Amino acid sequence: AQSVAQPEDQVNVAEGNPLTVKCTYSVSGNPYLFWYVQYPNRGLQFLLKYITGDNLVKGSYGFEAEFNKSQTSFHLKKPSALVSDSALYFCAVRDIASGGYNKLIFGAGTRLAVHP
Amino acid sequence: GAVVSQHPSWVICKSGTSVKIECRSLDFQATTMFWYRQFPKQSLMLMATSNEGSKATYEQGVEKDKFLINHASLTLSTLTVTSAHPEDSSFYICSAALLGGGETQYFGPGTRLLVL
Repeated sequence: AQSVAQPEDQVNVAEGNPLTVKCTYSVSGNPYLFWYVQYPNRGLQFLLKYITGDNLVKGSYGFEAEFNKSQTSFHLKKPSALVSDSALYFCAVRDIASGGYNKLIFGAGTRLAVHP
Repeated sequence: GAVVSQHPSWVICKSGTSVKIECRSLDFQATTMFWYRQFPKQSLMLMATSNEGSKATYEQGVEKDKFLINHASLTLSTLTVTSAHPEDSSFYICSAALLGGGETQYFGPGTRLLVL
């Protein structure tokens, strides 16, 4: 079964510093990987995805993620964190359900706290 | 683009009543819509997947008679929580996948249900 793991419950970073939110995956076949962000009492917002092509994927709000096949990782990064980036971040992998449709398997989430 | 709305954003109801939640894709047609449940400080759990004009596919452990899903058109899916009980209190989030777009899901803002 496909799965993703987010090893950190929370990441703290000072504003202006680079940030990394970690994600590792376990899949059979080629992985389709996603990052979403959730602000309090809101749904999820799509940040970026990797399906194929360049290992460095650029997404919304200045975020990027690096697909590393040998380490089975898909870490989310940003060169300079903003206080407004503080939110809950979810890594996800696509799975194919019995009905043939695409579905997402989410990690447990990592809370990012950016301090002024 | 790719905006998904949910209505209502929050609802309080008495135990034993039924509650309907609407999910609409506002600017695109959705082949498939998904319904998730999220408990406090936890990840999203897929409840069911609905395809326009066909029966929903429920995940293991989700009662189909309890959580009725109707996908009447390519832009509207509804989730009805029947005979709600306090343990049904949760944050319900829907998402939609673009017609022909496949992998990426776009999420609604969520509906918070409190059953008294």
